[in-house]
Amino acid sequence: EVQLVESGGGLVQPGRSLRLSCAASGFSFADHAMNWVRQLPGRRLEWIASISRNSASLGYADSVKGRFTISRDNAKNSLYLQMNDLRVEDTAFYFCTKLAQVGATRGDFDNWGRGTLVTVSS
Amino acid sequence: EIVLTQSPDFQSVAPKEKVTITCRASQRVGTALHWYQQKPDQSPKLLIRYASQSVPGVPSRFRGSGSGTDFTLIINSLEAEDAATYYCHQSSSLPLTFGGGTKVEIK
Repeated sequence: EVQLVESGGGLVQPGRSLRLSCAASGFSFADHAMNWVRQLPGRRLEWIASISRNSASLGYADSVKGRFTISRDNAKNSLYLQMNDLRVEDTAFYFCTKLAQVGATRGDFDNWGRGTLVTVSS
Repeated sequence: EIVLTQSPDFQSVAPKEKVTITCRASQRVGTALHWYQQKPDQSPKLLIRYASQSVPGVPSRFRGSGSGTDFTLIINSLEAEDAATYYCHQSSSLPLTFGGGTKVEIK
């Protein structure tokens, strides 16, 4: 069974940093591109970052470009999101998602973690 | 950026009735359009991939259609467990985007 378990969320002040992790199991992690998607207050979903299976291709939403960095460690079956210079508007649930097709860089997300809540407030 | 506009925002439907949700893209996305279901306090779940392809484990009452800019999700014979918010998502080009969601309530 595929499992994606996020961790690292919490309450943080504006301007500070946070690092999210996603532990993957139940599939060949190194074969799949991964993404971070967040759900903002009001339930809107926003894609924020993607990483190819070998980390050669990265993509970011404009709202986080230059502040957030996506990375992965295939040996540890783990995905990460380093979030710097956090803003109040970054408050959201952050989901780790798996791309369905092996080797693809874009496509449908066939598995989602349960999410981790990040609250940015002074 | 490709904007996805879903309609309606909210729908209240009796059990066994049919639900139709539309998703319109601001640019052509081919069939790179996917549908997700999110129940309260759960993460989204993939329902339909690439506009009309079924997903293993998803009941056959969920059907998708469309291509280009106009897409439809149909739920035939609504069941109580289908109360949820439904989102479309395009993977044609970056940035990946989602529709605003359609909340389906059971009457």
